[in-house]
Amino acid sequence: DSGVTQTPKHLITATGQRVTLRCSPRSGDLSVYWYQQSLDQGLQFLIQYYNGEERAKGNILERFSAQQFPDLHSELNLSSLELGDSALYFCASSVGVGGVDQPQHFGDGTRLSIL
Amino acid sequence: AQKVTQAQTEISVVEKEDVTLDCVYETRDTTYYLFWYKQPPSGELVFLIRRNSFDEQNEISGRYSWNFQKSTSSFNFTITASQVVDSAVYFCALSETSGAGSYQLTFGKGTKLSVIP
Repeated sequence: DSGVTQTPKHLITATGQRVTLRCSPRSGDLSVYWYQQSLDQGLQFLIQYYNGEERAKGNILERFSAQQFPDLHSELNLSSLELGDSALYFCASSVGVGGVDQPQHFGDGTRLSIL
Repeated sequence: AQKVTQAQTEISVVEKEDVTLDCVYETRDTTYYLFWYKQPPSGELVFLIRRNSFDEQNEISGRYSWNFQKSTSSFNFTITASQVVDSAVYFCALSETSGAGSYQLTFGKGTKLSVIP
């Protein structure tokens, strides 16, 4: 158990819809990262938040957005969903701002299926 | 841009055999970290090890060992006396600085290891 909690575990929805994925980091971790794992793209970094502020951005689509709340949990919002958005979405957390030596601990992921 | 290559897409071994998973990376950062993660069939990502760019000593942890060679930009992972529970997808990852002191992980495509009883 990594201590990172993601909900829901599974999500099935239709094209054009909007969903919200939730992540609670490990106790004491201030940084939250979102990754997408798809069959064709593999594991890709989407975005990082540190103590409520956006810290780094990766290959995140404009239809996607995220935020980190004062209690440090984070939400990833996916809108105007397309079939290609079907993937496993991981949240990870790390101590501090996310220095290069700090391992990221991953949640179990949310599997999103678009019908 | 950084790159992590895991040339072995799938490997099958018989239980108790040793197996080495290859990882080659490219980076322009002078300070970086390399990581290995395990993804069992249940789907979660489990952190196994991290190694910094200044430490080329090999590391052994039980049946696992890692060989980091900066000269060849490789960070290979060996499982000794493999067991069925080792069956998983293994990912090699490289830290990439994102500015302002933070970093993101660049993952390889993964190597699926199947250990046959």
